[in-house]
Amino acid sequence: AQRVTQPEKLLSVFKGAPVELKCNYSYSGSPELFWYVQYSRQRLQLLLRHISRESIKGFTADLNKGETSFHLKKPFAQEEDSAMYYCALSNTGNQFYFGTGTSLTVIP
Amino acid sequence: GAGVSQSPRYKVAKRGQDVALRCDPISGHVSLFWYQQALGQGPEFLTYFQNEAQLDKSGLPSDRFFAERPEGSVSTLKIQRTQQEDSAVYLCASRRTGREQYFGPGTRLTVT
Repeated sequence: AQRVTQPEKLLSVFKGAPVELKCNYSYSGSPELFWYVQYSRQRLQLLLRHISRESIKGFTADLNKGETSFHLKKPFAQEEDSAMYYCALSNTGNQFYFGTGTSLTVIP
Repeated sequence: GAGVSQSPRYKVAKRGQDVALRCDPISGHVSLFWYQQALGQGPEFLTYFQNEAQLDKSGLPSDRFFAERPEGSVSTLKIQRTQQEDSAVYLCASRRTGREQYFGPGTRLTVT
């Protein structure tokens, strides 16, 4: 069965500090991994996907198949990064499995 | 253009009542997804449509849950004989083929 684990429900960092939001997954095939973000009073939106291999808002995530991880990183956190972050996995492209989310607070 | 819209935004139902939740996807989006998000949890996949065809309903938790998209545009998620455990935010998302999902604001259902 597919599963996405985000071990931290809450994470606080100071502005300018590096941030890493952890995501581990279990899936026997070749999944597609995503990070979604939900800012306060806004809709859930895609932040980045592993096949794009791009940096969005300074965030990057590398798929590590050996460790089955897809951690989200940013070298210098900003206050506007405070939000709820969800890691998600898709197997067929039509089913998506989300983690329980990590609430990130960036302290000024 | 307009994003995905959902109505009602909030719904309170007495246990045992039937409810219908509506999703208006972005025009031209072929794919439509429904998710259930319980408090403190991530969204959980319920069902998926491609145009009017319901290609996957493996996530529907019971036969009390039913979804339709008869003309390949607007979709309705119906829950019969609501139970307290059905209380959650129901999210709809739409997508053009192969591209990212766009989520609606959700409908918060509270069953009392």
